[in-house]
Amino acid sequence: RKEVEQDPGPFNVPEGATVAFNCTYSNSASQSFFWYRQDCRKEPKLLMSVYSSGNEDGRFTAQLNRASQYISLLIRDSKLSDSATYLCVVNDSGGYQKVTFGTGTKLQVIP
Amino acid sequence: NAGVTQTPKFRILKIGQSMTLQCTQDMNHNYMYWYRQDPGMGLKLIYYSVGAGITDKGEVPNGYNVSRSTTEDFPLRLELAAPSQTSVYFCASSGDGSYEQYFGPGTRLTVT
Repeated sequence: RKEVEQDPGPFNVPEGATVAFNCTYSNSASQSFFWYRQDCRKEPKLLMSVYSSGNEDGRFTAQLNRASQYISLLIRDSKLSDSATYLCVVNDSGGYQKVTFGTGTKLQVIP
Repeated sequence: NAGVTQTPKFRILKIGQSMTLQCTQDMNHNYMYWYRQDPGMGLKLIYYSVGAGITDKGEVPNGYNVSRSTTEDFPLRLELAAPSQTSVYFCASSGDGSYEQYFGPGTRLTVT
């Protein structure tokens, strides 16, 4: 089993739709979780951290399910500008502030 | 604020050539990382550093070397370039106690 797994997509959704991505992780000792956004041919950028109780930032909601070892990202009222690849990131157990990146889920928002 | 900067943006190397990818950050971060990203693949850690003078191998270190003489700079050296090293290289940094990483714009390297 990969350390961090994501559905590669693509998810093609119309503007205004709600879309959700899941990401599973294998290390039950992981404590820190993030969603990054990566535009085509650009560097990854931190979108949001994922907290145990779930958290929201505008149209974006992140959830953590420790029992099933997955995190999710919900995007409401999708905009064309949301088109990107969304990377799930989980901290390594080996320390030194290392993390493991998922391969990403591609989102295409269609007019 | 410059954040993390990388040079060059693009480079084409012939097989067997060597080069150094430069990475500089101005956030006074102790932790710095080099990743490579192949098409359709996740980021793979090449080397990392926890402070000036301290470096260690990541997941895919073969064919690369690093040094960290200052907090700001973390260059990545490719010796004897091979086609398998064709990739996009990202440098990142993070502050003490944080897993949040900040990335440079990347270097697109082609080895032919």
